[in-house]
Amino acid sequence: GAGVSQSPSNKVTEKGKDVELRCDPISGHTALYWYRQSLGQGLEFLIYFQGNSAPDKSGLPSDRFSAERTGGSVSTLTIQRTQQEDSAVYLCASSFRDRAKNIQYFGAGTRLSVL
Amino acid sequence: GQSLEQPSEVTAVEGAIVQINCTYQTSGFYGLSWYQQHDGGAPTFLSYNALDGLEETGRFSSFLSRSDSYGYLLLQELQMKDSASYFCAVREASNTGKLIFGQGTTLQVKP
Repeated sequence: GAGVSQSPSNKVTEKGKDVELRCDPISGHTALYWYRQSLGQGLEFLIYFQGNSAPDKSGLPSDRFSAERTGGSVSTLTIQRTQQEDSAVYLCASSFRDRAKNIQYFGAGTRLSVL
Repeated sequence: GQSLEQPSEVTAVEGAIVQINCTYQTSGFYGLSWYQQHDGGAPTFLSYNALDGLEETGRFSSFLSRSDSYGYLLLQELQMKDSASYFCAVREASNTGKLIFGQGTTLQVKP
């Protein structure tokens, strides 16, 4: 069956450019999460969506980062004026949040390299 | 805030048993999860402990002791394909369900 899909899988950009990362969650999953993973590190929470609203944006590192979700489905994470420290793998996950275990299903991520 | 500590690397031989520990400091959480991530791949769910005690799923078991702020993942009958990174994560006690992850343990299985 279809899992969480992220695009592009790799993105190389120049410092100062804007980038958009896309996440297509599993159909029917109401919750969507973005995480960031730096090389050899754990996953760092960025933002949580329930439906189209984002009740928890506490992990966004600066106002250069924003995200939206439309139709309770696809989400886009936008990074403006990229910096070298933004280089990381950006992972998206979706879940049925109301279930006890809240198992999160992850995409393979977008590897962002800022030159 | 929440913080979780895991060993950075563990090495074991094929067929052996290995235990990956996770200690945490948290003000409150719903449960402890474990995820596996192969190099360059997506993290995948392995196990979840809401209550103290042992949960068994095939070759993998996970344990939680809230009084000791401690959990572990036990992998039995190790196979080469088990070489991966393993992350413990707490599900925060909030309505978001967001996960706070440890830094991960890289398991290398040798023949």
